[in-house]
Amino acid sequence: DADVTQTPRNRITKTGKRIMLECSQTKGHDRMYWYRQDPGLGLRLIYYSFDVKDINKGEISDGYSVSRQAQAKFSLSLESAIPNQTALYFCATRFRGDTEAFFGQGTRLTVV
Amino acid sequence: QKEVEQNSGPLSVPEGAIASLNCTYSDRGSQSFFWYRQYSGKSPELIMFIYSNGDKEDGRFTAQLNKASQYVSLLIRDSQPSDSATYLCAVYSGGYQKVTFGTGTKLQVIP
Repeated sequence: DADVTQTPRNRITKTGKRIMLECSQTKGHDRMYWYRQDPGLGLRLIYYSFDVKDINKGEISDGYSVSRQAQAKFSLSLESAIPNQTALYFCATRFRGDTEAFFGQGTRLTVV
Repeated sequence: QKEVEQNSGPLSVPEGAIASLNCTYSDRGSQSFFWYRQYSGKSPELIMFIYSNGDKEDGRFTAQLNKASQYVSLLIRDSQPSDSATYLCAVYSGGYQKVTFGTGTKLQVIP
């Protein structure tokens, strides 16, 4: 099993629908992140969490919300999906300090 | 100015040649530097990290860091078609406790 697991892997949803992307990790890391990736724009940070009670907005948080249910679980919600939220979404985890990030397999989300 | 800048490419090199990938960063307080490889549609995976000025070698890969010039590079020797991917530079800033990614450079190794 992967150390960082994202569900679902692929999702097609309609404009205006609420959708939740889930991330769970078995690495025991304290920090968890949600990124979206669009062609030519690289990885852009949506939200990040240093622990269960510490959640922070990233550079593109509008239209998204998150929940850190436990140290191992970090969910991303789109309250009312719109087509420009169509992207590849990655969850990542790492320890505090200058350590490497481990990524989930990604969720390809299409909003029609 | 972007915090971490990379040429998007594509960078095309013939098989067996040296591929040179470059990255510049704006925060002089940056402490650690990472190179990730990402195949199309897949998640990024770490291939090198470097903390100190100079070179760090790992197999066919060499990371080079020059903090005075705020420049980090990745050299891939004896490039193989399997090296064709997008390479992401990431910079850790202890002051802000964050990791910032560049937009990536697409490398194509031509057989």
